[in-house]
Amino acid sequence: DAGITQSPRYKITETGRQVTLMCHQTWSHSYMFWYRQDLGHGLRLIYYSAAADITDKGEVPDGYVVSRSKTENFPLTLESATRSQTSVYFCASSESNRLYTDTQYFGPGTRLTVL
Amino acid sequence: AQSVAQPEDQVNVAEGNPLTVKCTYSVSGNPYLFWYVQYPNRGLQFLLKYITGDNLVKGSYGFEAEFNKSQTSFHLKKPSALVSDSALYFCAVRPPRNSGNTPLVFGKGTRLSVIA
Repeated sequence: DAGITQSPRYKITETGRQVTLMCHQTWSHSYMFWYRQDLGHGLRLIYYSAAADITDKGEVPDGYVVSRSKTENFPLTLESATRSQTSVYFCASSESNRLYTDTQYFGPGTRLTVL
Repeated sequence: AQSVAQPEDQVNVAEGNPLTVKCTYSVSGNPYLFWYVQYPNRGLQFLLKYITGDNLVKGSYGFEAEFNKSQTSFHLKKPSALVSDSALYFCAVRPPRNSGNTPLVFGKGTRLSVIA
């Protein structure tokens, strides 16, 4: 039971480069989420998706792009990475359309460093 | 005002003693409250949630939390701490309507350290 996986687990890049973080879930969950975790801020939502081809901005979407062509995949792209995007990124999914009450299941995270 | 607050950055407790990790919230309407735990180099894992019903919620690994509407709190508790409980704990709440585009607002986290 693979659950939810993220790749790469660690990434170092340079300012201005494009970076894509991958997220894959095997549960066929409807909702998927991208969060960033920074010291002193907890987790903040970047983007989320209710289904294939449906995406919505979260709290901190600037500088990020998402797509969801297939239910199981939800890649996050940093079009031109900046140092302020150095963070740990978590993907999550939840089962149904009860967005506010459903449990979210998290991937292991990707630690991104932008030099 | 913050939707959710964890007033303690760090909690230290001796193994075998009871532990409490505090969480207070500030939302209108019915709050939906969650606790998640993060072990080192891992993603968050769900512990328990309060949606409606009994104020005392029991969750994974022997944890429980009590919803207290008058004190707007949802403290996480365990009767007897284990060294393996050492981790980062996050409280989360459904935010007030029209206050931001996220279904969940997370607290900043409390690091629990259980000492043998």
